[in-house]
Amino acid sequence: DGGITQSPKYLFRKEGQNVTLSCEQNLNHDAMYWYRQDPGQGLRLIYYSQIVNDFQKGDIAEGYSVSREKKESFPLTVTSAQKNPTAFYLCASSIERGGYNEQFFGPGTRLTVL
Amino acid sequence: AQSVTQLGSHVSVSEGALVLLRCNYSSSVPPYLFWYVQYPNQGLQLLLKYTSAATLVKGINGFEAEFKKSETSFHLTKPSAHMSDAAEYFCAVSPTGGGNKLTFGTGTQLKVEL
Repeated sequence: DGGITQSPKYLFRKEGQNVTLSCEQNLNHDAMYWYRQDPGQGLRLIYYSQIVNDFQKGDIAEGYSVSREKKESFPLTVTSAQKNPTAFYLCASSIERGGYNEQFFGPGTRLTVL
Repeated sequence: AQSVTQLGSHVSVSEGALVLLRCNYSSSVPPYLFWYVQYPNQGLQLLLKYTSAATLVKGINGFEAEFKKSETSFHLTKPSAHMSDAAEYFCAVSPTGGGNKLTFGTGTQLKVEL
């Protein structure tokens, strides 16, 4: 089955530690995205990548970093510079369909800072 | 910049009653519009989309939405609510001029009561 996998499902980290969230897709999509979800705030875009070896900052990139070395992988690192990292993180990929992009989402990773 | 506003962060209906979730968009030209559903601790699933074809769009699970340019609205409806419809619903917008980015509303939590 084609889809997007995120691991781990739950992640706990101590303050001051960097942590990397995994996102893998086997849909052969060119574009991938990372969103952060907080209660009552909807989804906010952290980073996105339209092609391998290229990525752009989204609306809330501070304290995060990404890489895109392979088409199917787009890991997100939450650094110690992110002041409030506890949140639900969603990865997505998209395919172009006649002028618009349809995004498909992974199951998410819930990060808790202790 | 494009945006969407979802009126009502929480909506409660009785099983069998009409579901109406409101979404208004802000855009200088008609955009592409999407409704997603999210069950607890899961990713988002696309319910339906408006891509400038028919203004009445039918989606999965019996949901539909009507694009009304004069009202800048894209409200989601379902004639008869089921307990399994309880979830959070997000409206999202993307530009028609190209580009991958989606802008999400803050979400509406739907509760279905017996």
